[in-house]
Amino acid sequence: AQSVSQHNHHVILSEAASLELGCNYSYGGTVNLFWYVQYPGQHLQLLLKYFSGDPLVKGIKGFEAEFIKSKFSFNLRKPSVQWSDTAEYFCAVASGGSYIPTFGRGTSLIVHP
Amino acid sequence: SQTIHQWPATLVQPVGSPLSLECTVEGTSNPNLYWYRQAAGRGLQLLFYSVGIGQISSEVPQNLSASRPQDRQFILSSKKLLLSDSGFYLCAWTPWGDSYEQYFGPGTRLTVT
Repeated sequence: AQSVSQHNHHVILSEAASLELGCNYSYGGTVNLFWYVQYPGQHLQLLLKYFSGDPLVKGIKGFEAEFIKSKFSFNLRKPSVQWSDTAEYFCAVASGGSYIPTFGRGTSLIVHP
Repeated sequence: SQTIHQWPATLVQPVGSPLSLECTVEGTSNPNLYWYRQAAGRGLQLLFYSVGIGQISSEVPQNLSASRPQDRQFILSSKKLLLSDSGFYLCAWTPWGDSYEQYFGPGTRLTVT
């Protein structure tokens, strides 16, 4: 069974700091990769996704993620965070043709102004 | 455009009482539907999914059941709630076909007392 690991459970940053959230998965075959974000009081929503092609994926609000197949990783990055990026971030992986993703435990990000 | 509704938004129920949470999707046909439970620091746990009316798959043995009486309606139920059923329940949908991106509802906060 697929497993997804998010190693950073709680991250606290100051505005303008750079962000990288780790995501690793276990399945070695074809995967579809996602980052979802849940802002306080809002729906869980898609931040970015990777299905195929360029392994560097750009999403909304200046976020990007890089798929490194050899490392089974899909880390989320942002060069300069803002207070409004305070949220919970979830990595998800759908593998082997399944339309059902496996979610990581989530990372709580707090950005201080 | 498509929208997803969940109700109620919050619910406080005594142990042993029944439960019915409802999810409806508008603006699409034959969606895949999902029920998740979100626990703090534990990510999203898939409870049930459905690829069509009357077709329900259970991912985890639970004190819960799901039904899909109409194409765009998904109901989560229990005959007798347990304390351990407390949590945040999310409904999600994906378009019929091979799209893996999920769209989430606002969730229901259930507290069993």
